[in-house]
Amino acid sequence: EVQLVESGGGLVKPGGSLRLSCAASGFTFSSYSMNWVRQAPGKGLEWVSSISSSSSYIYYADSVKGRFTISRDNAKNSLYLQMNSLRAEDTAVYYCARGEYYYDSSGSEYNWFDPWGQGTLVTVSS
Amino acid sequence: DIQMTQSPSSLSASVGDRVTITCRASQSISSYLNWYQQKPGKAPKLLIYAASSLQSGVPSRFSGSGSGTDFTLTISSLQPEDFATYYCQQSYSTPIGFGPGTKVDIK
Repeated sequence: EVQLVESGGGLVKPGGSLRLSCAASGFTFSSYSMNWVRQAPGKGLEWVSSISSSSSYIYYADSVKGRFTISRDNAKNSLYLQMNSLRAEDTAVYYCARGEYYYDSSGSEYNWFDPWGQGTLVTVSS
Repeated sequence: DIQMTQSPSSLSASVGDRVTITCRASQSISSYLNWYQQKPGKAPKLLIYAASSLQSGVPSRFSGSGSGTDFTLTISSLQPEDFATYYCQQSYSTPIGFGPGTKVDIK
């Protein structure tokens, strides 16, 4: 069974740091891109960051660029999100999600997020 | 950046109703559009990928259509377990964007 389990969330003061982890199992982790998506309380989904299977390609939302760092350890089947200079607006449930894909007959690559972990809550407050 | 909008933002429907949710992109995204369902306190679940492909295990009452800028998620006969919030998402380019969501509740 494919499973993603996030950990590392908690209460942190503004300006502080936190490192989230996502443990993957049930699939060949090193073959898939991985993603972080967050959801502020009562709000919608916001994409945070993506990393390719070999870490060659990394992308961030503007709202976290320069403060958050995504990384992965394929030997440990784990994804990470280092969050620095945290702000109140970073308060959210953070989900990790596997990047799925397929190529159509013309060679176009389609991507989506599946599955998702259960999420870990990060609260930034003094 | 590509902006995603959804309509309506919420709707009330009865079991057995046909429900249609619309998603619009601010520029053409071909068929790079996915749909997710989220229930309270749970992680999102993929329903439809590439605009119209049904994810394995998802009931056939769910269907997606559209390309370019306008997309639709249809539930042919609403079931009690379908009351949830639905999000569209574009995967055409980064930053990846989600629509604001459509909450479907019981009339």
